[in-house]
Amino acid sequence: GDSVTQMEGPVTLSEEAFLTINCTYTATGYPSLFWYVQYPGEGLQLLLKATKADDKGSNKGFEATYRKETTSFHLEKGSVQVSDSAVYFCALTERSGNTGKLIFGQGTTLQVKP
Amino acid sequence: DVKVTQSSRYLVKRTGEKVFLECVQDMDHENMFWYRQDPGLGLRLIYFSYDVKMKEKGDIPEGYSVSREKKERFSLILESASTNQTSMYLCASSSPSDGSFPPYNSPLHFGNGTRLTVT
Repeated sequence: GDSVTQMEGPVTLSEEAFLTINCTYTATGYPSLFWYVQYPGEGLQLLLKATKADDKGSNKGFEATYRKETTSFHLEKGSVQVSDSAVYFCALTERSGNTGKLIFGQGTTLQVKP
Repeated sequence: DVKVTQSSRYLVKRTGEKVFLECVQDMDHENMFWYRQDPGLGLRLIYFSYDVKMKEKGDIPEGYSVSREKKERFSLILESASTNQTSMYLCASSSPSDGSFPPYNSPLHFGNGTRLTVT
């Protein structure tokens, strides 16, 4: 079945460092791709999404580009802040139906130190 | 803002007990979901519902059931709790009619989770 694989964490960075969190996927169809973020003590919230090949999703300084040829959707940010410390989940949904059923990766914890 | 409220933040139950986890959303969303979150495993879908009284099994439905009698409320039921059901449970909702296209791209709105411990 469809699946999402993320790099293992935790990822520990100093403030203003460059961030990359790798995400690759396996899907039989042509999925849409998402990044969700979970801040401490909270539920998940949508960070960005891309619905077709070469689309770039962006939000709050984060970016990810849908790469069909490498089946990847890596998350990047040029300069992280302490407030970016959270767990990041890559996810996909199949292009069928309207239930928005998502398949999630295992999550990557980011710790940003001052 | 969409608000998804889970009735309990922390819950401790004994093995064999029947457990109810409640979730309410205030945005008239058609779709509702129950996930469990475990370290190293990410989120796994237990059940979802796309309309009142409708339900579909997710990837790990064994040991669980659900109820959706009203559009805004989606309950997860552990018929006989076991220690391997100790986990964080997350409820979410979405609407295929929120303007996103295609409709399955509608974002999920999550509650803050219920941490269940079964002893």
